Amino acid sequence: TQLLEQSPQFLSIQEGENLTVYCNSSSVFSSLQWYRQEPGEGPVLLVTVVTGGEVKKLKRLTFQFGDARKDSSLHITAAQPGDTGLYLCAGGGTSYGKLTFGQGTILTVHP
Amino acid sequence: NAGVTQTPKFQVLKTGQSMTLQCAQDMNHNSMYWYRQDPGMGLRLIYYSASEGTTDKGEVPNGYNVSRLNKREFSLRLESAAPSQTSVYFCASNDFMYSYNEQFFGPGTRLTVL
Repeated sequence: TQLLEQSPQFLSIQEGENLTVYCNSSSVFSSLQWYRQEPGEGPVLLVTVVTGGEVKKLKRLTFQFGDARKDSSLHITAAQPGDTGLYLCAGGGTSYGKLTFGQGTILTVHP
Repeated sequence: NAGVTQTPKFQVLKTGQSMTLQCAQDMNHNSMYWYRQDPGMGLRLIYYSASEGTTDKGEVPNGYNVSRLNKREFSLRLESAAPSQTSVYFCASNDFMYSYNEQFFGPGTRLTVL
């Protein structure tokens, strides 16, 4: 069974601060996705990384896939209240398109 | 395009009652999934259907059954609801043959079992 450990579980910061969320596993994944979920809604895909060492930027969000494709990080620069939500990492590579999800990080950005 | 739709949005059941959660997608995806989401546990896969006509157990299948009615629709049935099944249920779909496992999620069904 593949597991993804996500940390921290909770993050409460002030507007303008930077933060990093980590996603770690002992297993290799062929792809790693990050999703964002707002209260009362389903997760929405932010990004997919597929190559070891890959870095993708989405405005103030930077995503990195570890060289060995076992870990990933999400870095947010100058966080804003609109970034508040649940962030989920998910690893792909098992059969039939299945994903393994981390436990999630609840981010609260205070004005 | 509606994407992935789920009904109902909310449901309250008594222990022992049965119900079916409905899911439909209009993206012509081959694969569909049912997850449950509980605080601090991320999303756990209940059942999935890799393609029309096939279904397989996921991580937490006990107490649930599924039906892949056609390519668009995938339903989840609770035959005898238990309080431990109180959760938020999400349906998702993808076309893993042409993507890196990215999944598209519905808005969820919030189920309470008393």
